[in-house]
Amino acid sequence: GQNIDQPTEMTATEGAIVQINCTYQTSGFNGLFWYQQHAGEAPTFLSYNVLDGLEEKGRFSSFLSRSKGYSYLLLKELQMKDSASYLCAVRDGDYKLSFGAGTTVTVRA
Amino acid sequence: ETGVTQTPRHLVMGMTNKKSLKCEQHLGHNAMYWYKQSAKKPLELMFVYSLEERVENNSVPSRFSPECPNSSHLFLHLHTLQPEDSALYLCASSPQRQGQETQYFGPGTRLLVL
Repeated sequence: GQNIDQPTEMTATEGAIVQINCTYQTSGFNGLFWYQQHAGEAPTFLSYNVLDGLEEKGRFSSFLSRSKGYSYLLLKELQMKDSASYLCAVRDGDYKLSFGAGTTVTVRA
Repeated sequence: ETGVTQTPRHLVMGMTNKKSLKCEQHLGHNAMYWYKQSAKKPLELMFVYSLEERVENNSVPSRFSPECPNSSHLFLHLHTLQPEDSALYLCASSPQRQGQETQYFGPGTRLLVL
């Protein structure tokens, strides 16, 4: 089966940087996604990696190492509105996304 | 404003009831998905439809029955559910292109089975 691991919770201070790690063991690999989900809301797309390296998008960056089965999401200049759950997901075929359980990030003032 | 809508947003039903969840996407996508999200657990893919044909069925109990009458609409018919089926049910759609095929999620239906 698919195995996607990420920490359950992280806490950081406003203005700081937080790195959320994700490791995966899947039967196939066709891209890795990060989603943000605020409580009671739908997941929204943050980033996509299919090749090794760093993808930067504003305050958020995502890194992928396929040989290590590893990714991280980097959140810089944290804001209170960044308090949410962050979901790592691996696409292992044409359609299927396998998700991790999510990392709840709490930003403190 | 989301391009994927779901109704109802909240649903309480007894174990003997029959109800249906509805999803509609206004994005011109070709693939639609049903997921189940339980507290502290990963999203579980239930069903995938591509061009109105079911392409994925992840060993979901028969008390859940999907229907995709066209590429914009997706239903999940529920009957004789169990309390452990209480969860957030999310619908998603995607354009089914090569590469960055992002899935766009609806707001979900919060289901409580008594």
